[in-house]
Amino acid sequence: KAGVTQTPRYLIKTRGQQVTLSCSPISGHRSVSWYQQTPGQGLQFLFEYFSETQRNKGNFPGRFSGRQFSNSRSEMNVSTLELGDSALYLCASSLGRRGWNEQFFGPGTRLTVL
Amino acid sequence: GENVEQHPSTLSVQEGDSAVIKCTYSDSASNYFPWYKQELGKRPQLIIDIRSNVGEKKDQRIAVTLNKTAKHFSLHITETQPEDSAVYFCASTKWNAGNMLTFGGGTRLMVKP
Repeated sequence: KAGVTQTPRYLIKTRGQQVTLSCSPISGHRSVSWYQQTPGQGLQFLFEYFSETQRNKGNFPGRFSGRQFSNSRSEMNVSTLELGDSALYLCASSLGRRGWNEQFFGPGTRLTVL
Repeated sequence: GENVEQHPSTLSVQEGDSAVIKCTYSDSASNYFPWYKQELGKRPQLIIDIRSNVGEKKDQRIAVTLNKTAKHFSLHITETQPEDSAVYFCASTKWNAGNMLTFGGGTRLMVKP
C-alpha cells in the first residue's frame, strides 16, 4: 500500500505571497491532519479534515486554511506569507474512525519564506 | 488547552545502555499517548503508544509507562543501538479529539558506538 505523499517537497516564496500544499493520504484513509514543524515551536497541530469537513482546528491565524476533496486528498493554503511561516509542513492520514487512530505521516513540504 | 513537556531535550548514551525520556501533560482528560521517532530528514513514525486504561506497554526493546495520577508518561529503550539515534516525540490526545495530537518538544537521542 502506498504511503502518504506530499507535493511539492520544497518551496521558496517571498513575503506576502500565498502558497498551496497538497497531501494524498493512504488509500482508504478518510482523515488528513496538518502539522507545522519548526525548530523553535516543534510540532504544532494546524487542522484535521474528515469527509471533506474540518473536524479539529489548532491555534493558527486565519491565514492558514485547508480543504479536503471527495477522494480524501487535502490541500492547505497559507496566504500573505510571513517570514515566521518558514517550516516543514507535515500531513498525516488515518482511518478517521471515532476515537484514537494511528496517524501516518507524509515526508513533508519544506517551505522557505524570504 | 493541553500542554506537553518533554525532558531531556538531548540525551547521549553509549551503545548497549538504556535511555529514558519523560513527558508530562496538563489535561487530565487526555487518554492516548503515542510516541514518534523521527530520523534526520525523514518523517515521524509511530513506535509505540499507550492508552489510559493501561499502565505499561512493551514491544521488544521499547516500553512505555503511564502514571495518570501524576500525569506523566515515559519511554524506555533498552540495549540501545546506533540506529536508535533520532529525535523522539511524545504526544497526547483524548477520545473525542483523536487526531489532534499535542506534541512534546522532542528529545534528540544520540547513541555512541
